Amino acid sequence: QKEVEQDPGPLSVPEGAIVSLNCTYSNSAFQYFMWYRQYSRKGPELLMYTYSSGNKEDGRFTAQVDKSSKYISLFIRDSQPSDSATYLCAMGPSARQLTFGSGTQLTVLP
Amino acid sequence: EAGVTQSPTHLIKTRGQQATLRCSPISGHTSVYWYQQALGLGLQFLLWYDEGEERNRGNFPPRFSGRQFPNYSSELNVNALELEDSALYLCASLRDTQYFGPGTRLLVL
Repeated sequence: QKEVEQDPGPLSVPEGAIVSLNCTYSNSAFQYFMWYRQYSRKGPELLMYTYSSGNKEDGRFTAQVDKSSKYISLFIRDSQPSDSATYLCAMGPSARQLTFGSGTQLTVLP
Repeated sequence: EAGVTQSPTHLIKTRGQQATLRCSPISGHTSVYWYQQALGLGLQFLLWYDEGEERNRGNFPPRFSGRQFPNYSSELNVNALELEDSALYLCASLRDTQYFGPGTRLLVL
């Protein structure tokens, strides 16, 4: 079993839809949780960064961490074609030691 | 603030050759991470440098090596290239979390 599991998709949604992206993990020592967005042939860009449990909101993006279930989510409201990218979850006991999910490929159709 | 920079953007080599990839971290960041992103395999951790020292390495053979210079820039060397080394090589620097550069796309023919 991988330490971090992420559904690879691909996921295709119409413009304006709410998108839910998820990762599960097995290591209870993980305290730092990130979401990165990676456009084709580019480096990953940090979207959201949370420590321990709870929710964090930034514009159209909301990150949730449920440590009891070892489950994290990223919600995108009012999705736009420019949101089409691969989304990577990353987590670890510290930001120095991150394990990445394999990425979910998202396409938002105009 | 300038981000993480990497050079070259693309590199084409033949099997058995050596490749050298370079990374400059964000100003003030002392830690540099290297990752390999092969098609369909996600980001695989390669090496971590901090203050000029190698702090950790991932599950890669010794022909993957690197160093960090006094100005905190870093170099990744891959010796005896194999076809399966073809990938996007990403560098990241650390403050509160890891910030990535644009990557070097290495193609081994």
